[in-house]
Amino acid sequence: NAGVTQTPKFRVLKTGQSMTLLCAQDMNHEYMYWYRQDPGMGLRLIHYSVGEGTTAKGEVPDGYNVSRLKKQNFLLGLESAAPSQTSVYFCASNAGLGGAKNIQYFGAGTRLSVL
Amino acid sequence: AQKVTQAQTEISVVEKEDVTLDCVYETRDTTYYLFWYKQPPSGELVFLIRRNSFDEQNEISGRYSWNFQKSTSSFNFTITASQVVDSAVYFCALFTSGTYKYIFGTGTRLKVLA
Repeated sequence: NAGVTQTPKFRVLKTGQSMTLLCAQDMNHEYMYWYRQDPGMGLRLIHYSVGEGTTAKGEVPDGYNVSRLKKQNFLLGLESAAPSQTSVYFCASNAGLGGAKNIQYFGAGTRLSVL
Repeated sequence: AQKVTQAQTEISVVEKEDVTLDCVYETRDTTYYLFWYKQPPSGELVFLIRRNSFDEQNEISGRYSWNFQKSTSSFNFTITASQVVDSAVYFCALFTSGTYKYIFGTGTRLKVLA
């Protein structure tokens, strides 16, 4: 039972390069989220999706784009990476809004360094 | 505005001591959910507990217990007889269904010394 899988686990980019982080979940969850974790700042929401084909901005969306073409996948893109985007990125998903459905399950994280 | 405050940045205790991690939240919604997650040194986030705003019953799970008090907008987490394996960063989070968003605190790093 894989749960939430993030690829890659590590990546080093040069300023200006682009890349895509992939999040895949096998739990048939409707809701998917991308967060970044920086020292002393907890988890901050970048973008989220409430269903296939939908995306919405979170707290820190600038410099990122997302797509949810398939229910099980949520992609996070950096078009022109900047050193300020050096962070650990987490993907999370949950089944719904009420009851136990709103428990979020997280991927293992992607550590990104932008030089 | 929704907000979660974990004022304790880092706590160090000696093994077998009890320790309480504080979480204070702000929301105007009457229906909301509170969570605690553990992030061990390996980095993954592990769900510990979920509590909804209508259930103020405290919960105990082994050495872990949680105290939810709406009157003080707090959802504190106590570890009894701490162990080295409890060393981790602990996050408190708030969810309100109207926003679809989870608001995380900045985390408390717990170090349990042998």
